[in-house]
Amino acid sequence: NAGVTQTPKFQVLKTGQSMTLQCAQDMNHEYMSWYRQDPGMGLRLIHYSVGAGITDQGEVPNGYNVSRSTTEDFPLRLLSAAPSQTSVYFCASSTGLFSYEQYFGPGTRLTVT
Amino acid sequence: KQEVTQIPAALSVPEGENLVLNCSFTDSAIYNLQWFRQDPGKGLTSLLLIQSSQREQTSGRLNASLDKSSGRSTLYIAASQPGDSATYLCAAPSGSARQLTFGSGTQLTVLP
Repeated sequence: NAGVTQTPKFQVLKTGQSMTLQCAQDMNHEYMSWYRQDPGMGLRLIHYSVGAGITDQGEVPNGYNVSRSTTEDFPLRLLSAAPSQTSVYFCASSTGLFSYEQYFGPGTRLTVT
Repeated sequence: KQEVTQIPAALSVPEGENLVLNCSFTDSAIYNLQWFRQDPGKGLTSLLLIQSSQREQTSGRLNASLDKSSGRSTLYIAASQPGDSATYLCAAPSGSARQLTFGSGTQLTVLP
């Protein structure tokens, strides 16, 4: 099993551009989530999904959209990139909500200039 | 709101030492607590998940303890090795388990 995969690994955007960060898992996990990691602030939850077609907001959802059309995929869309969105983004999956063991992808390092 | 604190932010020890990493949390109504390892430029790897009904969980040279009443968890690493150098993060669910709150991590360096 590949586990949780994320693409791209690195991305540079200009302010105002849009893009989609891809996340896929092959463990048949119902629950998937997106975090951003910033120095000194730890990981913060952006959005999460409890199954195909069901998503909800986390702690820092503004400027990001998600959808979940399949169990395997959970893409994160940046609508109009801002320098404040420069961060490392991690996708995670689990068999249950956040009281279950979380499996993380390798991350996408995003720079917005 | 759950708050998770890890002290110290960085720790450097010589190889072979036993060491303890600390994690404290404010909401004691947790289902469990997880410890993760993060290598530079990499994702998080789950090390141990300790349930609220447990007091300890062990995996190899790692032992995690959980004391809900005091709002503390510790990660004990025995006979440390240079390969243990990484950032260690703890995370606790909110009371509703609809969010996982992470500490900022302890960056461990084990010197040969």
